[in-house]
Amino acid sequence: AQKVTQAQTEISVVEKEDVTLDCVYETRDTTYYLFWYKQPPSGELVFLIRRNSFDEQNEISGRYSWNFQKSTSSFNFTITASQVVDSAVYFCALSEGNKLVFGAGTILRVKS
Amino acid sequence: NAGVTQTPKFRILKIGQSMTLQCAQDMNHNYMYWYRQDPGMGLKLIYYSVGAGITDKGEVPNGYNVSRSTTEDFPLRLELAAPSQTSVYFCASSQRTGSGYEQYFGPGTRLTVT
Repeated sequence: AQKVTQAQTEISVVEKEDVTLDCVYETRDTTYYLFWYKQPPSGELVFLIRRNSFDEQNEISGRYSWNFQKSTSSFNFTITASQVVDSAVYFCALSEGNKLVFGAGTILRVKS
Repeated sequence: NAGVTQTPKFRILKIGQSMTLQCAQDMNHNYMYWYRQDPGMGLKLIYYSVGAGITDKGEVPNGYNVSRSTTEDFPLRLELAAPSQTSVYFCASSQRTGSGYEQYFGPGTRLTVT
């Protein structure tokens, strides 16, 4: 069965520091999708990115970047020059057919 | 376009009571899901549906029931509420696209059973 591991339970950084959130996954599927969601203190879940297993190109969106490495089954998320508004719980997820399997999440605290 | 809506936002139940959590989406998505999120944990799938009239169990279905009579609505029924069902419940929907099943989430329902 699919499994997603986010080994970092909680990370604290000072504003403007760069921070990387790790995500390691397990799957036997040859075609799959990986996702990152953000859950701010208000509680809603916000979609950040989707990546399919055939596209290993890194992606950058503003201060956010994602590094997908199939060889190590990792899909890490980096925030550059972190801001207080980045404080949230971040979830990595893996597709399993038409369902998603979520990691336990990483709490990111950005202090001013 | 409201997306995915959930009612109520908060609810306190006594042990043994029953209730229905409502979920509706206006995006004409075929797939709908119910998750629960316990403190410090990720989301666990309770039930899901691939279309009207079709439902299936997820990882943690015990103590819950669902129905899907329309494409838009996917209510979750709690029978005989127990303290272990204290959690935040999220409903989500998705439509198969060429690039995977991106799920859109509702705002959540915070349920406390005492």
